[in-house]
Amino acid sequence: DAGVTQSPTHLIKTRGQQVTLRCSPKSGHDTVSWYQQALGQGPQFIFQYYEEEERQRGNFPDRFSGHQFPNYSSELNVNALLLGDSALYLCASSRQGPDTQYFGPGTRLTVL
Amino acid sequence: GENVEQHPSTLSVQEGDSAVIKCTYSDSASNYFPWYKQELGKGPQLIIDIRSNVGEKKDQRIAVTLNKTAKHFSLHITETQPEDSAVYFCAAEGGANNLFFGTGTRLTVIP
Repeated sequence: DAGVTQSPTHLIKTRGQQVTLRCSPKSGHDTVSWYQQALGQGPQFIFQYYEEEERQRGNFPDRFSGHQFPNYSSELNVNALLLGDSALYLCASSRQGPDTQYFGPGTRLTVL
Repeated sequence: GENVEQHPSTLSVQEGDSAVIKCTYSDSASNYFPWYKQELGKGPQLIIDIRSNVGEKKDQRIAVTLNKTAKHFSLHITETQPEDSAVYFCAAEGGANNLFFGTGTRLTVIP
């Protein structure tokens, strides 16, 4: 059983560009959450998708947007990149409701 | 929103000794508390979790305790081994299954 997968592994962008990160959830999971982890910090919740809709959102600007597809996979989009957006972006999947979240390996984004 | 504090930020122990990491949270409505282990270059891996209807949970060398009155919970690792070296994060559920994480504890087990 494949766990949560994310692509790409690493990404380098310049300020002002746009980026799309991808996530495939663990088999049987229908809910995807995205987190940003700055160096030396704990992950911070960005938003959560269920039934192709954003259900919960953390304290992130609307430059951060997402999408969930009918097969439960998800994308995270970040527009107008800032240097401060450099971080490890983590995707976690779960079943809807109070359930354990399983994390993928993350995408390391570097903004120059 | 939920605020989770974690201590210590770094912890070094001799192989075979025990390690304890403590966390406090602010939202009394939180009722799910997972612990994750993160190794270099990898995503967080769930090692144990506890829900508010229990006070303690054990899984081999790992245990978690929860005190809802005081709003704190702790991770206990006994008989530590070098492969336990990693960064450990506590988290509290903020509602609708979104997690608020502590700042992490870097555990080093010295052979």
